[in-house]
Amino acid sequence: QVQLVESGGGVVQPGGSLRLSCAASGFTFSAYGMHWVRQAPGKGLDWVAFIRYPGTNKYYSDSVKGRFTISRDNAKNTLYLQMNSLRPEDTAVYYCAKDVAEQWLADSWGQGALVIVSS
Amino acid sequence: QSALAQPASVSGSPGQSITISCTGSSSDVGGYNYVSWYQQHPGRAPKLMIYDVTNRPSGVSNRFSGSKSGNTASLTISGLQAEDEADYYCGSYTSSSTWLFGGGTKLTVL
Repeated sequence: QVQLVESGGGVVQPGGSLRLSCAASGFTFSAYGMHWVRQAPGKGLDWVAFIRYPGTNKYYSDSVKGRFTISRDNAKNTLYLQMNSLRPEDTAVYYCAKDVAEQWLADSWGQGALVIVSS
Repeated sequence: QSALAQPASVSGSPGQSITISCTGSSSDVGGYNYVSWYQQHPGRAPKLMIYDVTNRPSGVSNRFSGSKSGNTASLTISGLQAEDEADYYCGSYTSSSTWLFGGGTKLTVL
């Protein structure tokens, strides 16, 4: 069965950097687009970024464009999110999620990684 | 870009039907059939319930159905059960090649 496991979360100071990883198994990772979606404490879902299956096309929300970078290593079945210039408002649980035929939906989600940006 | 508009809360008694609306614009909900719905229980990851406006993934109860009219999509849950109590989110592809979620609706089963 599909399994997505995020790691790399933690506490970081404003202006700092953090890299999240998402280890995928149970499906052909290289054939699917992947999303990062976040959820601030007590708030709703907030899409962050999407990468197509070859990894050549990447899309970002305006709130993270220029600060975050989504990438993937299809040989390692791993999705990444490099987060730079972090702000307190980036505090959230970050989920990786698997798309289906690049239809901008997510049929499988990880358990989430908590990122706290605070001094 | 502002979130898609959803009611903050809806409620219903067991066995009843409820509908949750999701209103956007011609640049998102109204312009594409890439509307999906997610159920989220407290402390858990979201779960896909409806995709491409009306389609139900394998394993999702047929009590859940989706529809769209103009710029508004809807999720209907019939025969409400206690385990349906959760937060529900709609999501839509946009003309800016982004993914936009609704603000979420808390469903209470009375």
